[in-house]
Amino acid sequence: DQQVKQNSPSLSVQEGRISILNCDYTNSMFDYFLWYKKYPAEGPTFLISISSIKDKNEDGRFTVFLNKSAKHLSLHIVPSQPGDSAVYFCAASALRGGSQGNLIFGKGTKLSVKP
Amino acid sequence: DGGITQSPKYLFRKEGQNVTLSCEQNLNHDAMYWYRQDPGQGLRLIYYSQIVNDFQKGDIAEGYSVSREKKESFPLTVTSAQKNPTAFYLCASRRGTGRNQPQHFGDGTRLSIL
Repeated sequence: DQQVKQNSPSLSVQEGRISILNCDYTNSMFDYFLWYKKYPAEGPTFLISISSIKDKNEDGRFTVFLNKSAKHLSLHIVPSQPGDSAVYFCAASALRGGSQGNLIFGKGTKLSVKP
Repeated sequence: DGGITQSPKYLFRKEGQNVTLSCEQNLNHDAMYWYRQDPGQGLRLIYYSQIVNDFQKGDIAEGYSVSREKKESFPLTVTSAQKNPTAFYLCASRRGTGRNQPQHFGDGTRLSIL
């Protein structure tokens, strides 16, 4: 059973517009959420994270929103650039409950930003 | 430069052969992790280690083994018992274990069967 779900396998956006990537989770024990960006044949690169005590975290063009009641988070990229084209993974962890903070990953969303 | 180094980048295994993937970090991180990625899938945890000389099984540990004799090194052996070893293997590390911290990844090793 998937605890972290990224229901859109792909997303295409025009350069300069907003990209919105979505992620849903089922485990209410999750208290830390992360987004990673991955290019083919490379390791994931950490982008941005958010703790469950916040509902928004911003870093430059990237903003992550957390809606705990809906168990939903989203990553906004504004403005989108062709170099943002990659696979984006959502991940979640729980320090409590015996999982020792290990990350659970979604299956990823492939973002294509067209010039 | 500090980082995580995985080697080799590409590896081929014959049937019935064990192979070892290397992962070294110079970030002075306490915890290290091994993941497997298959096409269209997320990352699945194979093994992890929170401290030297200790490691724990992840979700898909069968057919794999690890050791953590040094803080900076966490090699993964893919044994002949792993029937479907073809995948992209990723090593990661994290600074601490008692608080929320991101994991940082190496560039991966692609393992294929001859």
